[in-house]
Amino acid sequence: EAGVTQFPSHSVIEKGQTVTLRCDPISGHDNLYWYRRVMGKEIKFLLHFVKESKQDESGMPNNRFLAERTGGTYSTLKVQPAELEDSGVYFCASSQGRQAPKLFFGSGTQLSVL
Amino acid sequence: SQQGEEDPQALSIQEGENATMNCSYKTSINNLQWYRQNSGRGLVHLILIRSNEREKHSGRLRVTLDTSKKSSSLLITASRAADTASYFCATADSGYSTLTFGKGTMLLVSP
Repeated sequence: EAGVTQFPSHSVIEKGQTVTLRCDPISGHDNLYWYRRVMGKEIKFLLHFVKESKQDESGMPNNRFLAERTGGTYSTLKVQPAELEDSGVYFCASSQGRQAPKLFFGSGTQLSVL
Repeated sequence: SQQGEEDPQALSIQEGENATMNCSYKTSINNLQWYRQNSGRGLVHLILIRSNEREKHSGRLRVTLDTSKKSSSLLITASRAADTASYFCATADSGYSTLTFGKGTMLLVSP
């Protein structure tokens, strides 16, 4: 069974540019989550999809971040325009079931905004 | 708001020793989970303990949960160099489906 895959693994962009991160969850997992970790800080929740619907997007920092999950399969997270403080590791995770089941994580995308 | 908070921030031990990490949280929880992250990799689920459970074992791992103190501990017995990683606790508020993570504990196990 394939795990959660994320692309790209690394991205280096300049301030003001646009970056799109992609996440392919485990097949059949309705729940898809985006998290971010800035160096030395906690892993912070960004948002949660159930199938194609946004269940909770309370963690999204601002309107420069746009997440989509068309058709309830893969998801994209776009940052436009990127700022220096957006640098960090973006993790995607998927799960099946309700009531906080265990999460399966991808390896993350290391984003560096210069 | 931040929920789980691990302690210590870093721990360095020798192979064969036991490692204990603690997690404190603030609100009522549905369950508490521990994850491990090896450098450059994603988080891997280790163990889940429900709010009505007090202790759980999985191989060399032992997790305890004290809901009255809002705290949990993860014990790794007979540690190995391969246990070197960051360990995170994650909590889900009662009735809520999103996990909240802390900053993690960096464990270094020296041969």
